[in-house]
Amino acid sequence: DIQMTQSPSTLSASVGDRVSITCRASQSISSWLAWYQQKPGKAPKLLIYKASSLESGVPSRFSGSGSGTEFTLTISSLQPDDFATYYCQQYNSYLGVTFGGGTKVEIK
Amino acid sequence: EVHLVDSGGGLVQPGGSLRLSCAASGFTFNSYAMSWVRQAPGKGLELVSSISFNGGSTNYANSVKGRFTISRDNSKNTLYLQMNSLRAEDTAVYYCAKTVILEAGDLSRVNFDSWGQGTLVTVSS
Repeated sequence: DIQMTQSPSTLSASVGDRVSITCRASQSISSWLAWYQQKPGKAPKLLIYKASSLESGVPSRFSGSGSGTEFTLTISSLQPDDFATYYCQQYNSYLGVTFGGGTKVEIK
Repeated sequence: EVHLVDSGGGLVQPGGSLRLSCAASGFTFNSYAMSWVRQAPGKGLELVSSISFNGGSTNYANSVKGRFTISRDNSKNTLYLQMNSLRAEDTAVYYCAKTVILEAGDLSRVNFDSWGQGTLVTVSS
């Protein structure tokens, strides 16, 4: 299986901050990476697919970058609604999909 | 607007069975693959099973293979997960998810663009 490692596991930030979360794959996954946002007690929500494509309806302050083994989710100006846990997910492997362990973005 | 409603969760004893359902609306259900993804309390996400648009292909996580069966009824716009021989480690919130596939017929390379609200399955004596 391809292992997905997210860092940091927790991030403390303030409204208006620029925030970046990293996801590393144990082997190359080309650009087949998605990012999800999950709020407590709610289902995950797709934000980004194919590493950098913004899902319809997602605010433009969210962006994704990277290819191969290293990827980044960036929030350009953190808003109160953005405090949540973020997961990456690879979908390159014929062995199946795997998710990262999550990054919790909390209020500083 | 896509709407997925999960149901059927509850408390079950180890070794017991449960059937989850997911009622879909707002999209052409019979044109899309669907999946079940679970999340154990305080843990991350795990893909449990996926099924093709017509039910002709399925795949399962190794942890549930032989115990869980995914199915769909396109006439009722409903996805199912039959769970047998349940174990404590199956305790989780189960989400159905509308599934985007990279290649026709390939259920191994997918992502999930809409999710149900989840249903909690607790396996305990």
